[in-house]
Amino acid sequence: GENVEQHPSTLSVQEGDSAVIKCTYSDSASNYFPWYKQELGKGPQLIIDIRSNVGEKKDQRIAVTLNKTAKHFSLHITETQPEDSAVYFCAASSLGQNFVFGPGTRLSVLP
Amino acid sequence: DAGVIQSPRHEVTEMGQEVTLRCKPISGHDYLFWYRQTMMRGLELLIYFNNNVPIDDSGMPEDRFSAKMPNASFSTLKIQPSEPRDSAVYFCASSLGPPEADTQYFGPGTRLTVL
Repeated sequence: GENVEQHPSTLSVQEGDSAVIKCTYSDSASNYFPWYKQELGKGPQLIIDIRSNVGEKKDQRIAVTLNKTAKHFSLHITETQPEDSAVYFCAASSLGQNFVFGPGTRLSVLP
Repeated sequence: DAGVIQSPRHEVTEMGQEVTLRCKPISGHDYLFWYRQTMMRGLELLIYFNNNVPIDDSGMPEDRFSAKMPNASFSTLKIQPSEPRDSAVYFCASSLGPPEADTQYFGPGTRLTVL
């Protein structure tokens, strides 16, 4: 079955700097890669996703890149703000299979 | 839309008691998912339904756990008897389409504590 690894487990950046979180997956059939943000006391919320026919996707300060050959994908947050502080989860899924989530990255944006 | 609704938000019970968690998915969503989140194991899928029919229950820990979806707007996750190791946050999520194609929208979760 699918296995998703995520690094780093914790990340601290200064406000205004960029943050990068990386995930690797094992199942070459995986074709959908969402990223979720979870704030304290809330459920995960989708922030961006990418499919295997696309190499990069951007939405304002957030971007995701996908390298299918190497089986890894990354979340990039630019111009970080204190409200970006949260736990971020990557996930991977393939046809007929549910998401397998990574273990999460706790991002702290220091003012 | 109000989003996915879960109740109760917090539940404290004693070992051996029956616990029932409830979920109302987003109207029109055909898929409903139950997840468990712990520090040690992260987010784990327990079971998911399509059009009220269980599709994959391979994540259900053991026979003490059961889930039902009697209609398109309501689902329950029951633990009987509950044990301290069941303490976790349980999330319900729903989506329009299958997992590989559509966004899952999560509810606020139920924090379960079993003493």
